[in-house]
Amino acid sequence: GQQVMQIPQYQHVQEGEDFTTYCNSSTTLSNIQWYKQRPGGHPVFLIQLVKSGEVKKQKRLTFQFGEAKKNSSLHITATQTTDVGTYFCADTDGTQGGSEKLVFGKGTKLTVNP
Amino acid sequence: NAGVTQTPKFQVLKTGQSMTLQCAQDMNHEYMSWYRQDPGMGLRLIHYSVGAGITDQGEVPNGYNVSRSTTEDFPLRLLSAAPSQTSVYFCASSRVWGRWGYYEQYFGPGTRLTVT
Repeated sequence: GQQVMQIPQYQHVQEGEDFTTYCNSSTTLSNIQWYKQRPGGHPVFLIQLVKSGEVKKQKRLTFQFGEAKKNSSLHITATQTTDVGTYFCADTDGTQGGSEKLVFGKGTKLTVNP
Repeated sequence: NAGVTQTPKFQVLKTGQSMTLQCAQDMNHEYMSWYRQDPGMGLRLIHYSVGAGITDQGEVPNGYNVSRSTTEDFPLRLLSAAPSQTSVYFCASSRVWGRWGYYEQYFGPGTRLTVT
């Protein structure tokens, strides 16, 4: 089945530093979704990217979808303690059909030192 | 709207016991899914449904049953609990809209299950 590789697994930064997590696949991604999960909480949808080369911004967060649709990234500028959590990317399992079937990466756990 | 609700929040089972995890949504979403989350493993799809009366298997379906008799409810049944099923279980619902098939999954708060 389709696999989505996410790196790094962990990232520790000082408050104010930037942070980037990457999502890679050996096959073409249908589309990419990004989720954030706070410690002890549930995943919360952040964004969906569907077009090759797409870039979207949400305040300090920048999401990119690669030109070949095989990778994606989430970049946070000037991290804050509120950014702490695990960030997941997810793709639809196109081989099985249906956009309701998501394949998640294993996530990047971000900790921020105030 | 309550969104997606799950009960119970916590559960301890003995090996071999059976139980049902409840999930309900009040957003009239067509799609519903069950995931399990284990440390370092991300979220893995157990079963999903694209509408009432329609269910299908995900990545890790063994040991679990589902049914979808209504749009709102999507219970997950553990037939004979095993320690390997110790995990956090999330239910999610979603709808699809727009030309590009945009959708987002709304997750419930989760059920923390321990099987001893």
